[in-house]
Amino acid sequence: DIQMTQSPSSLSASVGDRVTITCQASQHITNHLNWYQQKPGKAPKLLIFDASNLESGVPSRFSGSGSGTDFTFTISSLQPEDFATYYCQQYDNVPIFGPGTKVDIK
Amino acid sequence: QVQLVQSGAEVRKPGSSVKVSCQASGGTFSTYAIGWIRQAPGQGLEWMGGIIPIFGTTNYAQKFQDRVTITADDSSNTAYMELSNLTSEDTAMYFCARAFHIFYNWFDPWGQGTLVTVS
Repeated sequence: DIQMTQSPSSLSASVGDRVTITCQASQHITNHLNWYQQKPGKAPKLLIFDASNLESGVPSRFSGSGSGTDFTFTISSLQPEDFATYYCQQYDNVPIFGPGTKVDIK
Repeated sequence: QVQLVQSGAEVRKPGSSVKVSCQASGGTFSTYAIGWIRQAPGQGLEWMGGIIPIFGTTNYAQKFQDRVTITADDSSNTAYMELSNLTSEDTAMYFCARAFHIFYNWFDPWGQGTLVTVS
């Protein structure tokens, strides 16, 4: 199976900061990479699909890029409601999630 | 707008089985893949498998292949996930989620989750 890594595993940031999370696949997955946000006690929420496509209704401060094996997720200006855990997920074959990145308040 | 509503929390003894349901309302059910994803306490997301109701075809993660059965009932727009031979390591929140099409690509929406406790 394809292995997914994310970095960092956690980060502390302030409101207004630019936040970047990376996700790396162990094999080439073209652009078959999605990003989710999960808040405690809630189901994950789809933010980005196919590496760079913003899901309908998701604020434009969220963005994604990359292809092949290396991907980046960015929050351009962190808002109070953005403190959460973020997961990447590949679907080149069976869906596999990355280990997650927890974003908390500095 | 489709919504997925899951059955309530369950408590099971080791060695037993559990069956969780996921009912879709407000949208098309059978022509989308439904996936099951679990999350152990404090841990990440783990895909268990899924079903494409219109074809009845299933796909299971290798880790769960011997213990999980996923089914769907078109007449009630409901998918089911049954996990057998439970151990304490199966204590987790279990989510169902609808894929974008008949492929297991991205998942939206998700059910609210069903907590299964094995003790």
